[in-house]
Amino acid sequence: GAGVSQSPSNKVTEKGKDVELRCDPISGHTALYWYRQSLGQGLEFLIYFQGNSAPDKSGLPSDRFSAERTGGSVSTLTIQRTQQEDSAVYLCASSLGVRINEQFFGPGTRLTVL
Amino acid sequence: KQEVTQIPAALSVPEGENLVLNCSFTDSAIYNLQWFRQDPGKGLTSLLLIQSSQREQTSGRLNASLDKSSGRSTLYIAASQPGDSATYLCAVGPLYSGGGADGLTFGKGTHLIIQP
Repeated sequence: GAGVSQSPSNKVTEKGKDVELRCDPISGHTALYWYRQSLGQGLEFLIYFQGNSAPDKSGLPSDRFSAERTGGSVSTLTIQRTQQEDSAVYLCASSLGVRINEQFFGPGTRLTVL
Repeated sequence: KQEVTQIPAALSVPEGENLVLNCSFTDSAIYNLQWFRQDPGKGLTSLLLIQSSQREQTSGRLNASLDKSSGRSTLYIAASQPGDSATYLCAVGPLYSGGGADGLTFGKGTHLIIQP
């Protein structure tokens, strides 16, 4: 497709379960970003990849969060032992290069933790 | 730590009016500034990207300006239409990497309603 795609669009899970969110960036974009949008916090940056490498993971909210990217394309964000405060919309973006280029966003995954 | 503020938080104007949305940021060490719109329940649509060396960018009825030294940007919308109703977000990209701040820092947005 032409744009960034994310799946699932909606995810409802029970507290304590693990969830995996997927992002498929625009073809040819080497940089990929994960953000979280919640009512109280607005939009916050979580982690980025340059190729398959994530140089800085300090933006992740806790050690329950992890992300990987393989083949320089698809990325997955995994949240282990979900908590109610993890409920938010998780947005993925991609760009041609890190920091210098326009970022294009996907439609997001709405995560609800019961 | 970079902070981005958008004023006003909400704005409602009649169709056809020209309007200005404001964005300010605390750290002038930015690589670029990007304006987005977000429709309810949707992702973000990029409107304009201004590199730090530029003063303004135009796309159709939209014009964005950047004054890096004063930490301000404005988004000007000409001849507003009901279809312009959305939340407008301003975001700045960092000049330096590291410290968990390599992504965009966003303001909380301006919720815009254009009355038919």
